[in-house]
Amino acid sequence: DAKTTQPPSMDCAEGRAANLPCNHSTISGNEYVYWYRQIHSQGPQYIIHGLKNNETNEMASLIITEDRKSSTLILPHATLRDTAVYYCIVRVERDTGRRALTFGSGTRLQVQP
Amino acid sequence: DTGVSQNPRHKITKRGQNVTFRCDPISEHNRLYWYRQTLGQGPEFLTYFQNEAQLEKSRLLSDRFSAERPKGSFSTLEIQRTEQGDSAMYLCATGQGASDTQYFGPGTRLTVL
Repeated sequence: DAKTTQPPSMDCAEGRAANLPCNHSTISGNEYVYWYRQIHSQGPQYIIHGLKNNETNEMASLIITEDRKSSTLILPHATLRDTAVYYCIVRVERDTGRRALTFGSGTRLQVQP
Repeated sequence: DTGVSQNPRHKITKRGQNVTFRCDPISEHNRLYWYRQTLGQGPEFLTYFQNEAQLEKSRLLSDRFSAERPKGSFSTLEIQRTEQGDSAMYLCATGQGASDTQYFGPGTRLTVL
């Protein structure tokens, strides 16, 4: 699985969009980009994933650059409850073989009132 | 609440004692994962089951650790002769199909005195 690089921390004002970047310059053609987050003292929570196209769900939007070497997770209207550590993970979807998710250090997002 | 439950939520034990944790997955999920998370770090993979078969084990899973999923439903993780270095949050996650979307439980926080 490709290595990812994320800023260690970010601040965002409540009600504003939070844009969390992730670099994955060694990503291969069949690797997906996954985002999880972990609110303090809870288990990680799946947010969104994508391969090439931009994706949107009820939680967030995922923008993947055309060369797929980087992506941005967008929380359109951040709330205090979005304060968490956000993890960007890239991996191949497969039926067999290694299944473990490899978590890096993530980005600690602090939403300010 | 993802539908994955873990018990107990907290466990305090003395060094050298054995402990056992339980994970109840989302009922239709055939994949079950155990992770360990120490303070300030992302979760680290321990082991993975598909149905009742344990298909993957991390080098972190020393011989004092054993995991079972006897009927392909709930799973247990046992640590024998606990050490202070075993103090961590133990997380269970489940999933199904080829997707790497994993749904995490709330975790069991172990403190070894």
